[in-house]
Amino acid sequence: AQSVSQHNHHVILSEAASLELGCNYSYGGTVNLFWYVQYPGQHLQLLLKYFSGDPLVKGIKGFEAEFIKSKFSFNLRKPSVQWSDTAEYFCAVNARHAGNNRKLIWGLGTSLAVNP
Amino acid sequence: DGGITQSPKYLFRKEGQNVTLSCEQNLNHDAMYWYRQDPGQGLRLIYYSQIVNDFQKGDIAEGYSVSREKKESFPLTVTSAQKNPTAFYLCASSIEGALAGGSYNEQFFGPGTRLTVL
Repeated sequence: AQSVSQHNHHVILSEAASLELGCNYSYGGTVNLFWYVQYPGQHLQLLLKYFSGDPLVKGIKGFEAEFIKSKFSFNLRKPSVQWSDTAEYFCAVNARHAGNNRKLIWGLGTSLAVNP
Repeated sequence: DGGITQSPKYLFRKEGQNVTLSCEQNLNHDAMYWYRQDPGQGLRLIYYSQIVNDFQKGDIAEGYSVSREKKESFPLTVTSAQKNPTAFYLCASSIEGALAGGSYNEQFFGPGTRLTVL
């Protein structure tokens, strides 16, 4: 069965530290990849997405992610985090499911706390 | 403003009672989804609807029911058969559903309803 694995469940960083959150998926076909973010008390919102083309995608607030097909990975990065990046981050993969259907498969999330 | 609204934000119910959570969208999206979010378990799909008058079970549909009589509305009923109903419920929508074979399954989310069953 398809699955998405986020390796880090809880991450604590100091401001200005670099961030990398891992995301791996198990699906051999064509995928679309997403990172969503949920700030405290706010809606879940899209951070960035990969559909095709350049495997390095830029998102909002200085985030980026790199799709490495050979590693089935889509890791999220930010060179210098801020206190306001404290949030829960979810990786999701749009994969084929039951014939021609596709659905989003979600990772369990990574809780990031940035200390000022 | 286009978006998804869920009401109420907080809901309390006694055990054994059915409760219906509201979800409305004015984005003109065909597809709508209900998720349940529990700490450490990510988002789990309850039901989804590709188009009006059609819906399918997700991964954890037992104890829940939905209807899709209008494009903009997708209410979720948590029935007394749901063994552990206390949770945070998220509604989402996307331009097109999976049956279209489309790659564009970016989902937009509402603010959620926190249901507590006493």
